[in-house]
Amino acid sequence: DAGVIQSPRHEVTEMGQEVTLRCKPISGHDYLFWYRQTMMRGLELLIYFNNNVPIDDSGMPEDRFSAKMPNASFSTLKIQPSEPRDSAVYFCASSLLGVYEQYFGPGTRLTVT
Amino acid sequence: AQSVAQPEDQVNVAEGNPLTVKCTYSVSGNPYLFWYVQYPNRGLQFLLKYITGDNLVKGSYGFEAEFNKSQTSFHLKKPSALVSDSALYFCAVRLPGNTPLVFGKGTRLSVIA
Repeated sequence: DAGVIQSPRHEVTEMGQEVTLRCKPISGHDYLFWYRQTMMRGLELLIYFNNNVPIDDSGMPEDRFSAKMPNASFSTLKIQPSEPRDSAVYFCASSLLGVYEQYFGPGTRLTVT
Repeated sequence: AQSVAQPEDQVNVAEGNPLTVKCTYSVSGNPYLFWYVQYPNRGLQFLLKYITGDNLVKGSYGFEAEFNKSQTSFHLKKPSALVSDSALYFCAVRLPGNTPLVFGKGTRLSVIA
């Protein structure tokens, strides 16, 4: 079975540009999580969805960040405008109610210059 | 609030020797505890979990972990380390229900041949 799929794997953009990260969760999973990993802050939760509905977005750092899940198979994380401090690896993870662990995608390494 | 502490940034061990990666947690209620491993430029891979029952849990690649409620610890162990075990290890905790994971800062394990 395919795991969590993220695209692109690498993104390099200039400050001020819009960035869109994409995630396809494991088929049938009803929870989707977006995390950000940096050297300074480690792994931190940005937002998570249940059945396509955002449940907790308190980890989204600023209004420049937004996330959507239009259907059970797709989610996006958008940063507009991007800033150099947004440079990080962004992970998407999915899970299924009743299954305790989350499954992570390979991540998107974002570099904002 | 939940929190996880991994007191060692780096653990070095000789190949063939036993290894321990430490983790302590703080949570109100009965925690679900997890270990994940991250290889370079890869996503997090699930290793093992403690939900309830036997305090010693076994996971992938010969790893095991012991839940100690009185010490609020969940140390990761392996009887005989391999060079291929060298990676970044994360301990994580969450409460029952499909709540997000809270991660420790990670411990880099280096197994030396």
